[in-house]
Amino acid sequence: SQQGEEDPQALSIQEGENATMNCSYKTSINNLQWYRQNSGRGLVHLILIRSNEREKHSGRLRVTLDTSKKSSSLLITASRAADTASYFCATYSGNAGNMLTFGGGTRLMVKP
Amino acid sequence: NAGVTQTPKFQVLKTGQSMTLQCAQDMNHNSMYWYRQDPGMGLRLIYYSASEGTTDKGEVPNGYNVSRLNKREFSLRLESAAPSQTSVYFCASSENRGRETQYFGPGTRLLVL
Repeated sequence: SQQGEEDPQALSIQEGENATMNCSYKTSINNLQWYRQNSGRGLVHLILIRSNEREKHSGRLRVTLDTSKKSSSLLITASRAADTASYFCATYSGNAGNMLTFGGGTRLMVKP
Repeated sequence: NAGVTQTPKFQVLKTGQSMTLQCAQDMNHNSMYWYRQDPGMGLRLIYYSASEGTTDKGEVPNGYNVSRLNKREFSLRLESAAPSQTSVYFCASSENRGRETQYFGPGTRLLVL
């Protein structure tokens, strides 16, 4: 079963616009991670936010975490065509062995 | 550093055939993982190895076996392939436990006819 559920499933924007993806999860977490997957490639880690953190930045990425609503968002500012990829959230609860649980992903297309 | 490598990149099997997917990492990580990714779905954990000498079942272990050959290598075996095992398989590693960043290989595309 998937812990994280991304919304929307697909997003199409113009270059230069901001892209926002949301992730909701069901149980309490130790941390939440965002990964990116280019077509036909493996996943690449983007950012990790711990349960006691509310916001984190990395370059053009901004991640927020609201543990009361069990949700997180990933904002990509000033998007580029090279940002076209699928984005996945993954949660670590700390009480299910060593498992990261992935959501179904958001497919982002950035049109030049 | 090559990171996480997987072989083969692509494989076609007939139902009932067996094969082993190989994975190696050169980051001196303790933990390694095998996932499968089906269209429209996220990754689902098949098996993991928290440290050399240990393996544990994940969410979807049926039909698979694993071997943690040494600290670097973690293989996934399909003893009798079924069409339902058609998928993309990813190996990953992390320094220690699953709460940390995982590093992924490029994947193996498996088609079972």
